[in-house]
Formats: sequence, structure tokens, C-alpha cells
Amino acid sequence: EAQVTQNPRYLITVTGKKLTVTCSQNMNHEYMSWYRQDPGLGLRQIYYSMNVEVTDKGDVPEGYKVSRKEKRNFPLILESPSPNQTSLYFCASRFGTEANTGELFFGEGSRLTVL
Amino acid sequence: GENVEQHPSTLSVQEGDSAVIKCTYSDSASNYFPWYKQELGKRPQLIIDIRSNVGEKKDQRIAVTLNKTAKHFSLHITETQPEDSAVYFCAAIQFQGAQKLVFGQGTRLTINP
Repeated sequence: EAQVTQNPRYLITVTGKKLTVTCSQNMNHEYMSWYRQDPGLGLRQIYYSMNVEVTDKGDVPEGYKVSRKEKRNFPLILESPSPNQTSLYFCASRFGTEANTGELFFGEGSRLTVL
Repeated sequence: GENVEQHPSTLSVQEGDSAVIKCTYSDSASNYFPWYKQELGKRPQLIIDIRSNVGEKKDQRIAVTLNKTAKHFSLHITETQPEDSAVYFCAAIQFQGAQKLVFGQGTRLTINP
């Protein structure tokens, strides 16, 4: 089954304790991205990756890191989480060129609470 | 960079009536405009999209229109049903450019029986 898998789905942590949210897709997509969803603000892009070893900042990258060592994986790293990073996070992927459909496939989301 | 504004933020309609959600974008180079539906507690999913070389696209009860001159696009849902209740997001992207998909703020649509 074609899917984007995120883990963990739910996490409560404390300020300053490093954490990683994993994301994996099995559709051979070149493009992967992380979004955070907050009430009234919609979906804001954190980082995205056009392909292996190619990453770029989105609109709200502060406090986050990513890596793309393999095509299927795109982990989101919070080196020193703070309460303002409490949010619902979505990983998403799609094919990289406009010749394809352009449809973005989302993971199920990871709800993070930083105390 | 691209900026997408979406209105209204909430919309309530009677079952069977039509609903319209509007979005404006700022970057005239944007050439792909998808709409995503997010049911409560679920992930966003694509429901319809349109490219800049097309003015209108329909899929059963939903349609999207694009006005490139005015830089706005709209989602139209006819004969609304309870299962249409959800949050809807518009988005815009320029495929040849940075490929940053920018979303609108979302519209919470409620269908009243």
C-alpha cells in the first residue's frame, strides 16, 4: 500500500530534550516536506527536500533540522524543543516534476507537546 | 515569495445548498493550484486541482475556477452533504521555481442538516 509513515504519532516531551520525528514513504517520491499545523494559521512549511542530499528552508524553519540521506526517509529533528513548537506536524511527499500529478501525499500526523 | 489568502475562515450552509471558498495568490508565476480536504482528526487529502492553462475543472459535485488576471481561484461545492463537513485548504505553487507549496489558512465548512 502506498503510504507516508510518521512516528511517533503522539509525543509529550520537555523543553530542551532533543527529539526526532521520522518520516518514510514507499512511493519513490523525489520531493518530501514537513509542515506544522496550528489553529488559524493553516499548514506552514518547515523544510522541504527536492531529492537526496538536497534540502531547503520553508517558511518556519527556526528550531528545526532535517536530513535526506536516503530517498525514502526525511526525519525532522528538534535539537532543543521549546513550548512554541507544540503543534501538529505532517510529513508529505510527491513526485518532483510537474509532469506528474503534483498531488501531495500526507502522513497521518504527529502531535507534539513540549512542556 | 508566494502568499495565499483564503476566505472565509468558517462557512456554514444548509444541506443541499452550494458552498464557495475563495483564495487569492500573490505570485503571478504560480502555475498549479490544488485544494485539500481535511476531515476531523485526519490527514489532508487532495480533492481537486487546476493548472494555470485551464480556467475551470469539474469533478462531480466539486469544481474549481481560476482567474489568472485577478490572481484568484475558487472551490465550488454543489448539493452539499453532511460528509462535506471538513476543513478545506487551497494552495499555490510554481513548479519551475522553488517548488514551495504555500497553503491558505483554511476554511472550516459545516453542513447543517
